[in-house]
Amino acid sequence: SQQGEEDPQALSIQEGENATMNCSYKTSINNLQWYRQNSGRGLVHLILIRSNEREKHSGRLRVTLDTSKKSSSLLITASRAADTASYFCATPLGSGSARQLTFGSGTQLTVLP
Amino acid sequence: EPEVTQTPSHQVTQMGQEVILRCVPISNHLYFYWYRQILGQKVEFLVSFYNNEISEKSEIFDDQFSVERPDGSNFTLKIRSTKLEDSAMYFCASNSLAGTDTQYFGPGTRLTVL
Repeated sequence: SQQGEEDPQALSIQEGENATMNCSYKTSINNLQWYRQNSGRGLVHLILIRSNEREKHSGRLRVTLDTSKKSSSLLITASRAADTASYFCATPLGSGSARQLTFGSGTQLTVLP
Repeated sequence: EPEVTQTPSHQVTQMGQEVILRCVPISNHLYFYWYRQILGQKVEFLVSFYNNEISEKSEIFDDQFSVERPDGSNFTLKIRSTKLEDSAMYFCASNSLAGTDTQYFGPGTRLTVL
C-alpha cells in the first residue's frame, strides 16, 4: 500500500524563520495533500497538489511535488507561534470516488516566540 | 463556513461495553469516512460510506464495528464490545460529489476504554 512518510519527525524553529517539511511516498498518485493537526484536535486541510503540478502556493505555504522522486515538500514562510502543530501529508488510495486517504507519520513543528 | 461536527468530544467506557460515536457531515457532502488515531501514531482509515452502504473498509474495521446513516444528517460509528486497544481519537470526514479528494475532518472523539 502507498504510504507517505514525513521528515523530519520534529522541527523546532524561531518565529519568523521558514520551516520545510518533506514527504515521500511509494506508489503513483494523482494528488498529494497536506493537513495540519493542532494538539488533540482534528485535521485541517491545507493544500492539494495534483500530479501534473510541480509547485503550488497558498498564502505563506508553498508545496512542491516531484513525481519522479515520489516526494513533496511543504514550506511555511515567516513562521508564527500559531503554526505550531503536526503536519501530515496524505495520498488518496483506490480508484472510486470515495477514496480513503493514507497519512504519513507527520512532522511535529514547534515555532518558538 | 460549514464544518463537520462530532459528539461526544470525549467518551469513557468500560471494556466490553458498546459505544456509538456520532458525526454530522457537511450537509451537501455524500461521501463519509471514519479514521482513527491511536495516541502518538498515524491517522488510520477505518471505513468509507456512500449511497447508504460501505464503499471500503480496512482490516481494522472488523465485525465489532458498524456504521450507519440513520437519517439525513447523522453518520454513526458503533463499536459493539470495546477493547482496551480501541482507545484512540476517532475522526469523521466527508467530501462532496465533485470527486475532490479533499476531505473535511471533524474535531474528533477521544475514546478511552478502561
